[in-house]
Amino acid sequence: AQSVTQLGSHVSVSEGALVLLRCNYSSSVPPYLFWYVQYPNQGLQLLLKYTSAATLVKGINGFEAEFKKSETSFHLTKPSAHMSDAAEYFCAVRPTNFGNEKLTFGTGTRLTIIP
Amino acid sequence: EAGVTQFPSHSVIEKGQTVTLRCDPISGHDNLYWYRRVMGKEIKFLLHFVKESKQDESGMPNNRFLAERTGGTYSTLKVQPAELEDSGVYFCASSQVTRADTQYFGPGTRLTVL
Repeated sequence: AQSVTQLGSHVSVSEGALVLLRCNYSSSVPPYLFWYVQYPNQGLQLLLKYTSAATLVKGINGFEAEFKKSETSFHLTKPSAHMSDAAEYFCAVRPTNFGNEKLTFGTGTRLTIIP
Repeated sequence: EAGVTQFPSHSVIEKGQTVTLRCDPISGHDNLYWYRRVMGKEIKFLLHFVKESKQDESGMPNNRFLAERTGGTYSTLKVQPAELEDSGVYFCASSQVTRADTQYFGPGTRLTVL
């Protein structure tokens, strides 16, 4: 079975500072990996995904994540935080085989931006 | 292009009552998924439709939950009878069969059982 661990249910950073949200996964084989964001009163929006191509993945709004197989990690970063980045972020995994598309999510990290 | 829509956005019911949630996927998306987030915990998978067929219903918690997707378009998720522990946010997502690595999520239905 696959699982995801997100370290830190709440993270606060100052505006302009580096954002680092941690995600570690457990899987018998390298899975597909995703980061989703949920802004207040909205649904989940896909930020970026890793599907066995380049290990450094760039997403929307200046976010990127690096797949590190040796560390079973897929941490999300952004060089400079903006007030609009305040939201809840979810890391998710799924198997790579066709037809098995169930996403397994972490518990989420709520990001607060300090002015 | 319209996104995934869900109705209602909020529902408050008494324990023992019945509630039906509806999801309209993005047009042309044959894959439809239901997920649930209970009490600030992780979002958990409930089931997956391909058109009108249930591909995977391994996440359905018990037989009080019934999901349907007649005609392969919109889907309904009925909870009968509702229990307190069913409270949470129910998300629907859809994807193209040929691009199943990207699931598009709706805004969710917040269900409160009193």
